[in-house]
Amino acid sequence: SQTIHQWPATLVQPVGSPLSLECTVEGTSNPNLYWYRQAAGRGLQLLFYSVGIGQISSEVPQNLSASRPQDRQFILSSKKLLLSDSGFYLCAWVSPAGNTIYFGEGSWLTVV
Amino acid sequence: EDQVTQSPEALRLQEGESSSLNCSYTVSGLRGLFWYRQDPGKGPEFLFTLYSAGEEKEKERLKATLTKKESFLHITAPKPEDSATYLCAVNMYRGTSGSRLTFGEGTQLTVNP
Repeated sequence: SQTIHQWPATLVQPVGSPLSLECTVEGTSNPNLYWYRQAAGRGLQLLFYSVGIGQISSEVPQNLSASRPQDRQFILSSKKLLLSDSGFYLCAWVSPAGNTIYFGEGSWLTVV
Repeated sequence: EDQVTQSPEALRLQEGESSSLNCSYTVSGLRGLFWYRQDPGKGPEFLFTLYSAGEEKEKERLKATLTKKESFLHITAPKPEDSATYLCAVNMYRGTSGSRLTFGEGTQLTVNP
């Protein structure tokens, strides 16, 4: 069965520091992968999606970037964090048929 | 512009008081509408996928329905453990760009004992 893992689960970072959140998927190949951000009490905002290695599409201009170095690995990064980058980050995998969506456990980021 | 709107933003019910949550959408190329439940501090938990108008799916006290413009999540005789945020998402096909998921803002449901 397919599983999706995110880490770290929680982190507190100072303003201006770098960020790296990692997402890995097991049990499938060539998945479409997504990074979402959720502010407290709000819906999910799509940040990036990737249909394959090295293929990244950005949905909103921001201080973040994403990379897909391997088929089942998706990384969210920042060189210098801003206070506004705080939030709950979720990685998701959509099946090729588009009929199943799996989410990771999420990563809580607090920028101080 | 593709949009997904959920209403109400928040809903308080007494235990046993049935109600419905709404998700309306204006998208083209719909490949499915998803309902999720999200507890605080956790990732969304998948509930249902609906594909075509007239389709219905049930799970315990929940029933999801779909029309061409909206979906309803009916909650029958809710219990306090049904308290959560319920998210609606639509999946739109984007050709070689793959699928794209667009979420509504969610409905925060509180069921009082």
